[in-house]
Amino acid sequence: STVLTQSPSLTVAPGQTANITCVADNIAIKSVHWYQQMPGQPPVLVVYADRDRPPGIPERFSGSDSGSTATLTITRVEAGDEADYYCQVWEYETHHWAFGGGTKLTVL
Amino acid sequence: EVQLMESGGGLVQPGGSLRLSCAASGFTFDRFAMNWVRQAPGKGLEWVSGLNGRGAGIYYADSVRGRFTISRDNAKDTLYLQMSSLRAEDTAVYFCVKGMSMGIYYAMDAWGQGTTVTVSS
Repeated sequence: STVLTQSPSLTVAPGQTANITCVADNIAIKSVHWYQQMPGQPPVLVVYADRDRPPGIPERFSGSDSGSTATLTITRVEAGDEADYYCQVWEYETHHWAFGGGTKLTVL
Repeated sequence: EVQLMESGGGLVQPGGSLRLSCAASGFTFDRFAMNWVRQAPGKGLEWVSGLNGRGAGIYYADSVRGRFTISRDNAKDTLYLQMSSLRAEDTAVYFCVKGMSMGIYYAMDAWGQGTTVTVSS
């Protein structure tokens, strides 16, 4: 089964760019989705199908992938972006959803 | 506006059973896949089970297969999760989650607030 590896934490200064990565074998051939979870809240979809944004998600949020790494990029980071971020893929071989372990983004 | 309201959580002893429900509104229920995703205290997200819009395709995480049963009543716009042989490691907040389309493999674009299940003696 697919193991999605995320760094547990990332600290970025306000106004800078946050690159949150998700590593797995051949992830570039899979459709990757990204979720943002604020403390005490349910997750919110911020990027789907590698690079598409749902309605209402700011353009500051974007997705990309290459080889074994998918990346969620948040530009002009704000204090309100502090949250846990999870990547997700559907495993066609096993018919399972897989989540990464999550990255806690701190804006400091 | 899409709304998903879970109910049925609570405290249950190891080996016990519980049935979660999720009342959906604001969209045509039978046109979308639905899932249960859980989150243990202080931990990450874990997919539990899902089924496509018509309920013909049903899928389970290995950790719950044989113990949990997912179902949907499209006439009542309601999703269910019957949980049995519960273990301490099933303790978590359980989220009801809507897929973006009928197929199970689309992203999840709406989440309920969750219902808490605690398995303890």
